[in-house]
Amino acid sequence: GESVGLHLPTLSVQEGDNSIINCAYSNSASDYFIWYKQESGKGPQFIIDIRSNMDKRQGQRVTVLLNKTVKHLSLQIAATQPGDSAVYFCAEGSGSARQLTFGSGTQLTVLP
Amino acid sequence: DGGITQSPKYLFRKEGQNVTLSCEQNLNHDAMYWYRQDPGQGLRLIYYSQIVNDFQKGDIAEGYSVSREKKESFPLTVTSAQKNPTAFYLCASSRGGLVSNQPQHFGDGTRLSIL
Repeated sequence: GESVGLHLPTLSVQEGDNSIINCAYSNSASDYFIWYKQESGKGPQFIIDIRSNMDKRQGQRVTVLLNKTVKHLSLQIAATQPGDSAVYFCAEGSGSARQLTFGSGTQLTVLP
Repeated sequence: DGGITQSPKYLFRKEGQNVTLSCEQNLNHDAMYWYRQDPGQGLRLIYYSQIVNDFQKGDIAEGYSVSREKKESFPLTVTSAQKNPTAFYLCASSRGGLVSNQPQHFGDGTRLSIL
């Protein structure tokens, strides 16, 4: 899994399988979290966000889970497709910090 | 279509030269940001602007300058004082500022290299 600010891990999944990308955050005061998808040579694309008063949020084929007890965030992608291949990274923010802190990302590769 | 446009896509800088990266948004967002992305690292904040005619330094502002004369435009100048400018530069905007818990939306970046 990914830690905000550390190395770039990789994840390979078979087309059609579900993917789970993890993110550990360190600031217990963080109250807002975002997942981005970044394809090679492009800017990050917003996927989904969640606030700390929720522990789960669903979008189209994606679900974000937040576990504040262990400071862990995950992104689940259902029925992974070749177009999902990209780097995924999380960002955390808080009113007190006044800025977002971005993780370095996880490279997701979808195998045919 | 609403979005953020960065130009140019690729830029080359000579020694001692200042270069300016353009960022325009038509999302009617108040806040705009500049980030630097280096391989294997998370985005690092260079400058941000919460409102027209106001901007604040981020974590790595040295060697960079910005202006915010119009709501839709937030150009970044990489000065000769920035000794390691080779990176992928990303501009973003959001409806509210950094404390508003609104997602930031990004342009497609400018890749700056040294000649």
